[in-house]
Amino acid sequence: NAGVTQTPKFRILKIGQSMTLQCTQDMNHNYMYWYRQDPGMGLKLIYYSVGAGITDKGEVPNGYNVSRSTTEDFPLRLELAAPSQTSVYFCASSYATGVVGDEQFFGPGTRLTVL
Amino acid sequence: AQRVTQPEKLLSVFKGAPVELKCNYSYSGSPELFWYVQYSRQRLQLLLRHISRESIKGFTADLNKGETSFHLKKPFAQEEDSAMYYCALMGAAGNKLTFGGGTRVLVKP
Repeated sequence: NAGVTQTPKFRILKIGQSMTLQCTQDMNHNYMYWYRQDPGMGLKLIYYSVGAGITDKGEVPNGYNVSRSTTEDFPLRLELAAPSQTSVYFCASSYATGVVGDEQFFGPGTRLTVL
Repeated sequence: AQRVTQPEKLLSVFKGAPVELKCNYSYSGSPELFWYVQYSRQRLQLLLRHISRESIKGFTADLNKGETSFHLKKPFAQEEDSAMYYCALMGAAGNKLTFGGGTRVLVKP
């Protein structure tokens, strides 16, 4: 199992450009998440999904969009990149059993710089 | 609103010394608490969760609801414990995690 994979690893964008960060998991997890981590800070939840076709906002959703057409994939879209979106982005997944305490499995991260 | 605070950004200890990472939380309900760890060049991964009441790699953490704390402890630190540690809280809905700002642990030989 590859677990959670993210592409690209690094990207530099110009202000106003758009891009999609890809996330795929091969563990048949129902829940998937996108976090961002700014320097010296903890991770903040951007969006999450509880299953194919279902997404919801997290703590910092502005400037982002997501979709979940399959169980495996959960892409994150930036439409108009801004310097404030310079961050490291982590995708994660979990198998939510309905019993609290489910472990989240993280991807390696995408380092994005917007200039 | 739920919040997790890790007051120390950096802890530097000598090998064999005890180490304690502080974590305080605010949450109106009954939370689930976790410690995640990120070793150099590795992914963020679960270290332990309070519901399991287990010791992992010599680390333990006790949930103190009165003090709203979930401090991580290890009696004898090893060099391989050098890493970034994050305390995280899961509330009642959606399996969503709220992370603290992280503590970098450096274990010196």
